Amino acid sequence: DVKVTQSSRYLVKRTGEKVFLECVQDMDHENMFWYRQDPGLGLRLIYFSYDVKMKEKGDIPEGYSVSREKKERFSLILESASTNQTSMYLCASSSPTRAGELFFGEGSRLTVL
Amino acid sequence: AQSVAQPEDQVNVAEGNPLTVKCTYSVSGNPYLFWYVQYPNRGLQFLLKYITGDNLVKGSYGFEAEFNKSQTSFHLKKPSALVSDSALYFCASKGGSARQLTFGSGTQLTVLP
Repeated sequence: DVKVTQSSRYLVKRTGEKVFLECVQDMDHENMFWYRQDPGLGLRLIYFSYDVKMKEKGDIPEGYSVSREKKERFSLILESASTNQTSMYLCASSSPTRAGELFFGEGSRLTVL
Repeated sequence: AQSVAQPEDQVNVAEGNPLTVKCTYSVSGNPYLFWYVQYPNRGLQFLLKYITGDNLVKGSYGFEAEFNKSQTSFHLKKPSALVSDSALYFCASKGGSARQLTFGSGTQLTVLP
């Protein structure tokens, strides 16, 4: 079965802390994505990557960075967490041959105090 | 820029009745359209997609969606709702060569026993 695994389901961090959210997929997908989900706003794209060491900004990249050193792993980094980054973060992957069919992880709920 | 609108935050329907969850889109060129479902505390799951061809698309769990180009709509439907269909539903679009999806704000479907 296809799987996207996010390392932490729940995190609580303090303002100013550096936060790493890890995502691993086992489907050999080229494309990987980080979204944040907020009530009433749906999913908003933060960053995506279509190849190792490649990254592109999504709609709301400010305050975030990403790393893709290996094909199966895509990390989201909050350099200095702020309270407005409290949210649900969803990682997804897809194959370029199956356009738009994303496979999602179960999400990481981050609370910044 | 592309956008997706889900005009209803909440839809309630009685078990056994037909359900409709509405979606309209704005995409340059030919649209690729998708429906995803999110069960409580889970990531999103792909339900169905429209790329080209027949305007009525069938997907998982008995769901279907109707593409209407003149109304720029892609409504999700099911002939007979189940209590287990209660979940958050997201419509999404992708334009042309874009790798990423744009999601709507989501519609909470509640099926009442």
